[in-house]
Amino acid sequence: SQQGEEDPQALSIQEGENATMNCSYKTSINNLQWYRQNSGRGLVHLILIRSNEREKHSGRLRVTLDTSKKSSSLLITASRAADTASYFCATASYNFNKFYFGSGTKLNVKP
Amino acid sequence: GAVVSQHPSRVICKSGTSVKIECRSLDFQATTMFWYRQFPKQSLMLMATSNEGSKATYEQGVEKDKFLINHASLTLSTLTVTSAHPEDSSFYICSARDSMNQPQHFGDGTRLSIL
Repeated sequence: SQQGEEDPQALSIQEGENATMNCSYKTSINNLQWYRQNSGRGLVHLILIRSNEREKHSGRLRVTLDTSKKSSSLLITASRAADTASYFCATASYNFNKFYFGSGTKLNVKP
Repeated sequence: GAVVSQHPSRVICKSGTSVKIECRSLDFQATTMFWYRQFPKQSLMLMATSNEGSKATYEQGVEKDKFLINHASLTLSTLTVTSAHPEDSSFYICSARDSMNQPQHFGDGTRLSIL
């Protein structure tokens, strides 16, 4: 990817379990965002965390950011079959005008 | 919420054809729009960044004469794939934001197939 890597590349869990995805990036950032993509569709914005924030919550989503390690994690709690999708992290550069995506994690939640 | 409309959603055409893809922000003014290309099962690759009224900034390795970008208004950007060839077949996605430090809002993408 242009910016970084996500792991795992693929994750398969049972409904009700938690799913954790990790993202690492290469350059200094202003903020990091997580997106979801259903197959063959555009992306849906999930959550934005700024470089001076360490943790953020939105519903069943919890995002952490460690700028010293240049990494972030996305936790989806109590997963549902409808959460099945690809999840991407994306970083916004310091001057805001570059926006790069990680390699993505394909999540499969089995009912 | 913010809506970005991308059109067409699917294009199938012969080699040598030029194809125009439109990206519109429907309920906000998009000062910056981004164009991405996505290969199957891969991430999005940023192709270019365009600011309204100025020339697009292309990423390294992206041919500006091949992928013409116009961002003439605060609600519309177009990507024209000129003289398309089979290797240009891909999923193209646009996004838009109204100001810095705000989320990008994505169109639903255009699947381009060149025969």
